[in-house]
Amino acid sequence: AQSVTQPDIHITVSEGASLELRCNYSYGATPYLFWYVQSPGQGLQLLLKYFSGDTLVQGIKGFEAEFKRSQSSFNLRKPSVHWSDAAEYFCAVNTGGFKTIFGAGTRLFVKA
Amino acid sequence: SQTIHQWPATLVQPVGSPLSLECTVEGTSNPNLYWYRQAAGRGLQLLFYSVGIGQISSEVPQNLSASRPQDRQFILSSKKLLLSDSGFYLCAWQLQGAINQPQHFGDGTRLSIL
Repeated sequence: AQSVTQPDIHITVSEGASLELRCNYSYGATPYLFWYVQSPGQGLQLLLKYFSGDTLVQGIKGFEAEFKRSQSSFNLRKPSVHWSDAAEYFCAVNTGGFKTIFGAGTRLFVKA
Repeated sequence: SQTIHQWPATLVQPVGSPLSLECTVEGTSNPNLYWYRQAAGRGLQLLFYSVGIGQISSEVPQNLSASRPQDRQFILSSKKLLLSDSGFYLCAWQLQGAINQPQHFGDGTRLSIL
């Protein structure tokens, strides 16, 4: 069965530092990949998506993600974190059906 | 542009009472619609999805039900709430026939059962 793993339950970074959130998926072919962000008490907002083509995709709020087929990974990055980036981040995979599989999420804390 | 509305934003209900949460989408036709539950500090659990009026697929057996009486309206219901029904409920829509497209979420309903 398809699955999505976000190995880090929470991460703390200093403001201005770089960020990388990990995401691994289990699927035989290339899935459709997404990253979402959720602020407390809010719904999920799409940051970026990957379907095909260039393996480095740019998203909103200065985020980018790189698809690595050999590692079955789709890690999210940001060069310089702002305090407003503190939130929960979800990686998600769609393998061609009606359902999208979400990871358990990584909570990001930003310290001054 | 498309928008999605969920209400109420928060709800406190006693055990054994009924439930009705509503979700509506504007600006698109015949979307795929989804209900998720998010327990505190946990990921999203898909409860129901719908690809058309009156078409409901249930993912998790439970005392909740869903209905789609109109093209862009999706309702989550229960006849008798349990303590375990507490959580954050999210509605989402997706372009019909575009399974490679992302889902778009409402702002959620925080449900507390007393």
